Amino acid sequence: AQSVSQHNHHVILSEAASLELGCNYSYGGTVNLFWYVQYPGQHLQLLLKYFSGDPLVKGIKGFEAEFIKSKFSFNLRKPSVQWSDTAEYFCAVNRNSGYSTLTFGKGTMLLVSP
Amino acid sequence: DVKVTQSSRYLVKRTGEKVFLECVQDMDHENMFWYRQDPGLGLRLIYFSYDVKMKEKGDIPEGYSVSREKKERFSLILESASTNQTSMYLCASSKPTGDGPGELFFGEGSRLTVL
Repeated sequence: AQSVSQHNHHVILSEAASLELGCNYSYGGTVNLFWYVQYPGQHLQLLLKYFSGDPLVKGIKGFEAEFIKSKFSFNLRKPSVQWSDTAEYFCAVNRNSGYSTLTFGKGTMLLVSP
Repeated sequence: DVKVTQSSRYLVKRTGEKVFLECVQDMDHENMFWYRQDPGLGLRLIYFSYDVKMKEKGDIPEGYSVSREKKERFSLILESASTNQTSMYLCASSKPTGDGPGELFFGEGSRLTVL
């Protein structure tokens, strides 16, 4: 079974600091990759996704992620975080197959101090 | 705008009670999913459905069942609630792509407490 590993459970940053959240997955075949975000009191929403093509993917609110196939990684980055980025971030993966399902990591709680 | 609506935001039930969690989507999506979210464990898939009257077990189906009688509605049922089912339950829907479930759209969640 596929699994998703997020390296950090909690990250605390000051505003304007750079962010990188690690994500590794275990499945060796072709995959689709996602980052979802859950702001306090809100529902989960898509931040960005990778299906194919350019491995550097840009999402909403200045986030980007890079797919490195050889490392089975899909790390999330942002050059300069804001207080409003305080949220929980989830990496998710599905096998490239019509009836596959999405497997989520355990999440990383990001706290940005003003 | 895309909308997934979960009928109850907060529920408190007693051990042994039967619990129904309802989810409705207005996007004509074929796929629907039930996850539970627990601190430190992320989201775990309970059941999913790719079509009306179709259901498949996810990673943690024990103690749960589902019903999908209409395309827009997917219900999660706890036949006899137990305290270890205290959790946040998330419903999601998606339009399938040829290579996976596609982008999931989530409801706001139903927080269930079993006493």
